[in-house]
Amino acid sequence: KQEVTQIPAALSVPEGENLVLNCSFTDSAIYNLQWFRQDPGKGLTSLLLIQSSQREQTSGRLNASLDKSSGRSTLYIAASQPGDSATYLCAVHNTNAGKSTFGDGTTLTVKP
Amino acid sequence: GAVVSQHPSRVICKSGTSVKIECRSLDFQATTMFWYRQFPKQSLMLMATSNEGSKATYEQGVEKDKFLINHASLTLSTLTVTSAHPEDSSFYICSARLPLGSGSGANVLTFGAGSRLTVL
Repeated sequence: KQEVTQIPAALSVPEGENLVLNCSFTDSAIYNLQWFRQDPGKGLTSLLLIQSSQREQTSGRLNASLDKSSGRSTLYIAASQPGDSATYLCAVHNTNAGKSTFGDGTTLTVKP
Repeated sequence: GAVVSQHPSRVICKSGTSVKIECRSLDFQATTMFWYRQFPKQSLMLMATSNEGSKATYEQGVEKDKFLINHASLTLSTLTVTSAHPEDSSFYICSARLPLGSGSGANVLTFGAGSRLTVL
């Protein structure tokens, strides 16, 4: 059974800092991995998707990496802004026809 | 891009009533949709996989008679919470798998905005 862990559970940083969110998973047989953002009381917004054959993806100030062999992914946020404050979820899409396993998320607060 | 629309976004109902939540893929056909439930400050838990034209596949511990799923067309799946009780209050989110060839690779999920159910 796939298990996904996100560390830290919560993170508070001053504006402008670079930061890294971590996601680890126990079963390396994955199709791909997706990072999402969730604002309080809202749905999920997809940030980055990394295919199992890729090692990283970039979008603006975001960079996500994937190391299947060690079961890890990181989300790097450069020059953080107060608008980045949200909960960030990592989802591993398993080989089993689209089922996904989510981590518990990291709640990020960026202070002005 | 591919969009999944969920309706209603919020619903408040009395205990004992049934509530239907719709999940629509707006510009693509989705043979498979997924329903999740999220409790406060917790992550998403997969409830069931909705398959067009066939019965849904429920995860262990999810009552299929309580949470009725219907996927009658390639663009619509519905979740009906029957005889709702306060403990059913939660945030329900659906997702759909983008079709192969959509440009994003296989097994990419796109999510609805979620529906917050409050049962009084």
